Amino acid sequence: DQQVKQNSPSLSVQEGRISILNCDYTNSMFDYFLWYKKYPAEGPTFLISISSIKDKNEDGRFTVFLNKSAKHLSLHIVPSQPGDSAVYFCAAAEMYSGGGADGLTFGKGTHLIIQP
Amino acid sequence: DVKVTQSSRYLVKRTGEKVFLECVQDMDHENMFWYRQDPGLGLRLIYFSYDVKMKEKGDIPEGYSVSREKKERFSLILESASTNQTSMYLCASSLPGKAAEAFFGQGTRLTVV
Repeated sequence: DQQVKQNSPSLSVQEGRISILNCDYTNSMFDYFLWYKKYPAEGPTFLISISSIKDKNEDGRFTVFLNKSAKHLSLHIVPSQPGDSAVYFCAAAEMYSGGGADGLTFGKGTHLIIQP
Repeated sequence: DVKVTQSSRYLVKRTGEKVFLECVQDMDHENMFWYRQDPGLGLRLIYFSYDVKMKEKGDIPEGYSVSREKKERFSLILESASTNQTSMYLCASSLPGKAAEAFFGQGTRLTVV
């Protein structure tokens, strides 16, 4: 059973507009959420994260929103640029108090295409 | 900058061969991970290690084993490669408590023929 879901395999957005990528999760033990960006033939790179004690985190053009009651998070990119075209993975983790963690659970990814 | 280096970008191996995928990180990270990425399936965790000589199974460990003899190096082993193990393999590392903010290598595209 998939614990992290990205229901849109692809998303096309015009340059300059806002891109909104969505992610849902089912495991209520998840308390840390991240977005990774991946270009073809490269490893994913960390983009932005949010702890479950917050509902918003902003970094430049990127903002992540977390709605714990709905078990939903979203990534907003504004304004969208051609270099933002990539696959975006939502990921979640349980951050134990002992400092260990058993890896990330990823969604299947959303391919964002920014059109000129 | 954290650097996670995977020994090969592309590999082609024959069915039944024993395959070693090597990963080295230079930031003294305790945690290391192996994922595979497949179209429509995202990234799935194969094995991880939180210390030298320690290993834990991830979500899809069947057909794989790992070795962590030194802190900086984490090897993924395919004992007898099969065509369904054709995939992009990604290694990652992180600090304890920061396992979520993992740094990834560039990936190894393995084709088993």
